[in-house]
Amino acid sequence: EAGVAQSPRYKIIEKRQSVAFWCNPISGHATLYWYQQILGQGPKLLIQFQNNGVVDDSQLPKDRFSAERLKGVDSTLKIQPAKLEDSAVYLCASTVGGSYEQYFGPGTRLTVT
Amino acid sequence: RKEVEQDPGPFNVPEGATVAFNCTYSNSASQSFFWYRQDCRKEPKLLMSVYSSGNEDGRFTAQLNRASQYISLLIRDSKLSDSATYLCVVNMGQGGKLIFGQGTELSVKP
Repeated sequence: EAGVAQSPRYKIIEKRQSVAFWCNPISGHATLYWYQQILGQGPKLLIQFQNNGVVDDSQLPKDRFSAERLKGVDSTLKIQPAKLEDSAVYLCASTVGGSYEQYFGPGTRLTVT
Repeated sequence: RKEVEQDPGPFNVPEGATVAFNCTYSNSASQSFFWYRQDCRKEPKLLMSVYSSGNEDGRFTAQLNRASQYISLLIRDSKLSDSATYLCVVNMGQGGKLIFGQGTELSVKP
């Protein structure tokens, strides 16, 4: 079974530029999560989707971050404009509805200079 | 107060040692509990769930004390391959978000 796919794996941008990350969850997984993991910290949830609807985006900095999952399958997370403090690994995870176990993708490592 | 707090690391232990990690959580409404393992520059992966009765998986034992809002992970007979960061994780409900601790790094030396 294919795992959670993410791209790109690495991205370096200058502050104030825009960037987008893509995630394709495990087939059949209705719930998709985006996490931000800053070096030395645990992952922090940014947004949770159930199919194509947002369940929780309370920790998403909405002035600069946006995410969508239009067809209830893959998802895009965008940052515009980026700040230095956005340097982190952005992890996508998915789970079968009703399950506690989340499966993580390999992440996108973002460096903002 | 952080929602999930773990022992600060790193833990440096010799092969064969027993090591224990501790974790506390602040929200008494938390419903499920896990330990995830994260290798360097890799994604987190579920190590084991934690049940009130305690549970064991080979060399790993997890314990939960709901009254004290405390979770532990014990690793016996440490192997070099156990070197990783161990993340204490709390879930607020089925399908709900995971809240991660900051992680405790373990380094097992020959």
